[in-house]
Amino acid sequence: QSALTQPASVSGSPGQSITISCTGTSSDVGSYDLVSWYQQHPGKAPKLMIYDVTKRPSGVSSRFSGSKSGNTASLTISGLQAEDEADYFCCSYAGTPVRFGGGTKLTVL
Amino acid sequence: EVHLVESGGGVVQPGGSLRLSCAASGFTFGVYAMHWVRQVPGRGLQWVALISGDGSTAFYADSVKGRFTISRDNSANSLYLQLNSLKREDSALYYCSATSATHPFEYWGQGTLIAVSS
Repeated sequence: QSALTQPASVSGSPGQSITISCTGTSSDVGSYDLVSWYQQHPGKAPKLMIYDVTKRPSGVSSRFSGSKSGNTASLTISGLQAEDEADYFCCSYAGTPVRFGGGTKLTVL
Repeated sequence: EVHLVESGGGVVQPGGSLRLSCAASGFTFGVYAMHWVRQVPGRGLQWVALISGDGSTAFYADSVKGRFTISRDNSANSLYLQLNSLKREDSALYYCSATSATHPFEYWGQGTLIAVSS
């Protein structure tokens, strides 16, 4: 049960946009629109930011958006702000085992 | 306001057992499927187990199958994880998380830490 593949780190300056990729397989990410993204600040619990590939829960900023192409899902954060600095995890919940990505550390320069 | 509060973590020897609890409040517990997810500090998230809202169905990661048992008591708004035959690689922060029909892992607790060490 290997993890989904994410880059270890990304960075951007305030106001810029960044994209984090999440690569799975044709059996999970590629076959189902059941991908979510979580933000985790140090010492805190994860927070749901995107679900069903593109949907935002109530209260999540519209600066966060999701997409998918083939076996790769992506999270884009536009208009970067200092408070966006955190770890981000993708998740494929198309059945069990649920698979999470290894996480990407976002640094806002 | 939604609260999930885990408890029961601690230091245990290899081969030992622990029982984790997760107390839920602020939402209709019985309509949510519940998960345990673990995280080695500084590392990624690893899904551990899932139980359906009525408690009739459970699923496990291969790494814990046969050693861990997930259960729930909807009358007490509580989720449990019985951990047996613990291994050093089970050391992690264990989170409980609630999933609705539409929102995966919508609510999270703050976690309880398990250290398996002799």
